[in-house]
Amino acid sequence: DAKTTQPPSMDCAEGRAANLPCNHSTISGNEYVYWYRQIHSQGPQYIIHGLKNNETNEMASLIITEDRKSSTLILPHATLRDTAVYYCIVRVGDSGGSNYKLTFGKGTLLTVNP
Amino acid sequence: DSGVTQTPKHLITATGQRVTLRCSPRSGDLSVYWYQQSLDQGLQFLIQYYNGEERAKGNILERFSAQQFPDLHSELNLSSLELGDSALYFCASSVAGTGGLRETQYFGPGTRLLVL
Repeated sequence: DAKTTQPPSMDCAEGRAANLPCNHSTISGNEYVYWYRQIHSQGPQYIIHGLKNNETNEMASLIITEDRKSSTLILPHATLRDTAVYYCIVRVGDSGGSNYKLTFGKGTLLTVNP
Repeated sequence: DSGVTQTPKHLITATGQRVTLRCSPRSGDLSVYWYQQSLDQGLQFLIQYYNGEERAKGNILERFSAQQFPDLHSELNLSSLELGDSALYFCASSVAGTGGLRETQYFGPGTRLLVL
């Protein structure tokens, strides 16, 4: 699985958009970008994933650059409850007997301030 | 609530002892994954089961073992416990374990193990 690089921490004001970057310059054509978050010692929570097109769901938007070497997770209106460690993970998505483990890095600690 | 349940929530035991952690996957999910999260190692994959069979192994110690039962719940057995085994243990489940868009893993709340 490709490695990812994320800033260790970021701050955001409540009500503003939080934009969390992730670099994955060695991503392969069959690898998806997944985002999870972990709120203080709780189980990681799935947010969103994508292959090459931008994706949006009720939680967030995922913007993937055309060359797929980086992506940005956008929380449109951050709240205090969005304070968490956000993990960007690149993982193979095709079948074929591969190991589908998630490889977590250190993630980005997003702190939403009132 | 992810739909994945884990018991117990907390476990305190002594070195050398053996414990069993239990995980019930989301309804309909066939694949179960176990992860360990310690302060110095972060979240690490231990092992995956799919429909009762071991599918993949990660950095799982020989003192640790797991199994998935016919009703698809899974147990992680930790034996000869050491102080360094103190950690959060998470279980995740996914629909198939065979790749593709159905492979989103949903995590349980975890079991916090403290070895004294």
